[in-house]
Amino acid sequence: EVQLAESGGGLIQPGGSLRLSCAASGFIVSSSYMSWVRQAPGKGLEWVAVIYSGGSTYYADSVKGRFTISRDDSKNTLFLQMNSLRAEDTAVYYCARAPWNYFDYWGQGTLVTVSS
Amino acid sequence: EIVLTQSPDFQSVTPKEKVTITCRASQSIGSSLHWYQQKPDQSPKLLIKYASQSFSGVPSRFSGSGSGTDFTLTINSLEAEDAATYYCHQSSSFPLTFGGGTKVEIK
Repeated sequence: EVQLAESGGGLIQPGGSLRLSCAASGFIVSSSYMSWVRQAPGKGLEWVAVIYSGGSTYYADSVKGRFTISRDDSKNTLFLQMNSLRAEDTAVYYCARAPWNYFDYWGQGTLVTVSS
Repeated sequence: EIVLTQSPDFQSVTPKEKVTITCRASQSIGSSLHWYQQKPDQSPKLLIKYASQSFSGVPSRFSGSGSGTDFTLTINSLEAEDAATYYCHQSSSFPLTFGGGTKVEIK
């Protein structure tokens, strides 16, 4: 059974950094496309980043240069390093398996709140 | 960036009614259009991939159609458990984008 479990969210001041983790089970992260999608409170879905099985990465313009998607193959875990956080980054962050860039399985999400 | 426009934004429907949600892309995306259901306080779930292919385990009352720029999600014989917000999403090109969502309420 495919399962994804995010962690690492919390309250952070503007300009701060946070690293989100997504532990996967039931499939191999390194053989998959994996993505982060976020949802601001009361708003719709926004794609953030994707990492392909070969290691290529792509980002939304809103996070490019500030966020980095990566994975640890030995731990079967996906990460999102978030630097220079802004109030507008406040959202629930979901990791999702992303075969061919659609999202077939999602985690439960982790809330990131950027506020002073 | 490909913009996806969903309509309506909100729909109030009685059980057993048919629901139709449309998603229009700002440029042709072939069949690279996918539909998700998100119930309150839950993560989204994939319903339909590539415009018309049902995802595993999705009830047969959910179906999708369309290609190019115009797409439709249909819920035949709505059930109370279908109360949710529905999103379309395109995977044709980066950045990947979502429609604004359609909230379906049960009368």
